[in-house]
Amino acid sequence: GESVGLHLPTLSVQEGDNSIINCAYSNSASDYFIWYKQESGKGPQFIIDIRSNMDKRQGQRVTVLLNKTVKHLSLQIAATQPGDSAVYFCAEKGFDSNYQLIWGAGTKLIIKP
Amino acid sequence: EPEVTQTPSHQVTQMGQEVILRCVPISNHLYFYWYRQILGQKVEFLVSFYNNEISEKSEIFDDQFSVERPDGSNFTLKIRSTKLEDSAMYFCASSEPQREITGELFFGEGSRLTVL
Repeated sequence: GESVGLHLPTLSVQEGDNSIINCAYSNSASDYFIWYKQESGKGPQFIIDIRSNMDKRQGQRVTVLLNKTVKHLSLQIAATQPGDSAVYFCAEKGFDSNYQLIWGAGTKLIIKP
Repeated sequence: EPEVTQTPSHQVTQMGQEVILRCVPISNHLYFYWYRQILGQKVEFLVSFYNNEISEKSEIFDDQFSVERPDGSNFTLKIRSTKLEDSAMYFCASSEPQREITGELFFGEGSRLTVL
């Protein structure tokens, strides 16, 4: 039978180029914003987080930007590699919830050789 | 590198049957979670567990669901009477105290549940 699911936004990037994945979040009171990577058939893998009192944080080959004015979060991946192919989720964690993460819809990143 | 392990990787069951999904969190972690992901959709929070009790649960986690940490290593999710809409990938996750506050969770590879 045909499977029904949410159509994921897709980003196609040439290998070696930079990728920018965007996310709009919902809760102004969220304290942390997190990016996860999910490769096909695997569980989500933590990439980087940013606290709400920051607007930029850098990791290894990744940068997260937070714009609280427009409730926007982005993940920049430098020099994209084939191993970066995955679905990328943003998630938020707020003051009103001690434990649960609220997840965005996900963006599928495809790397063109 | 330590990892969260889940069994079974795939379970097929008939509607109305009970299912137990098993997880072994990372050994020094104190916070444990179940999330689920219906095919192609968002990851959804089910429940968190700390200090041998449920610390938070979502609306999805109704009376048909329960969790248990029967010994020092396993963390289980039980669905008493499965429904078709319970078909999903179920992810177990764990975190350590310093990382829990930032939302850094370590996920297992998931257990795919198919309810017929």
